[in-house]
Amino acid sequence: QVQLVESGGGVVQPGRSLRLSCAASGFTFSSYGMHWVRQAPGKGLEWVAVIWYDGSNKYYADSVKGRFTISRDNSKNTLYLQMNSLRAEDTAVYYCAREGDDYGDSRAFDIWGQGTMVTVSS
Amino acid sequence: DIVMTQSPDSLAVSLGERATINCKSSQSVLYSSNNKNYLAWYQQKPGQPPKLLIYWASTRESGVPDRFSGSGSGTDFTLTISSLQAEDVAVYYCQQYYSTPSFGPGTKVDIK
Repeated sequence: QVQLVESGGGVVQPGRSLRLSCAASGFTFSSYGMHWVRQAPGKGLEWVAVIWYDGSNKYYADSVKGRFTISRDNSKNTLYLQMNSLRAEDTAVYYCAREGDDYGDSRAFDIWGQGTMVTVSS
Repeated sequence: DIVMTQSPDSLAVSLGERATINCKSSQSVLYSSNNKNYLAWYQQKPGQPPKLLIYWASTRESGVPDRFSGSGSGTDFTLTISSLQAEDVAVYYCQQYYSTPSFGPGTKVDIK
């Protein structure tokens, strides 16, 4: 079935780095734009980054620009989020999400992973 | 950037009654060339990822019960649950994907 599975979360000290992965299955990964969305404990959803289906374009939220890098390996059906210079305020559950496509038109985020928790603390 | 707001912050509705959630965007999310509003609604239950309910402001995602409906255009949108069921207790978020995506703060729906 169509599935996204995140991994790589954990506890990290401020200023350190972490790389998240999102393994896709059950669909043609290389045909879809992919996003990272995060949710701090007890808070709402915050969009983090997007990468186009072929990796040609990437966009970031201002809160992570210059520190986080989104990438993908279509041969491995995997999405990544490299997080550098981590701060306490980056503590959150990180979700990967597929941007649904209807003959080239976006259908919002139709598939979500279960999320991986990142805790930034000394 | 487009800022999304929602009202109310929370509401409690009796089983079988109607629940209405409002969402407002700081600028229009209507794409004039195809007359589509790039506005989605999600449901999130505790410990679960968000689930897409509605996209293009009023198109129900496959498998979503027809008691959920979306309406509105431009900058003002509404999610309606026509007859609240116990399993509808959740937080509901609106999202614009007209430009770099942004979410509303969420509305918590409970049973009265």
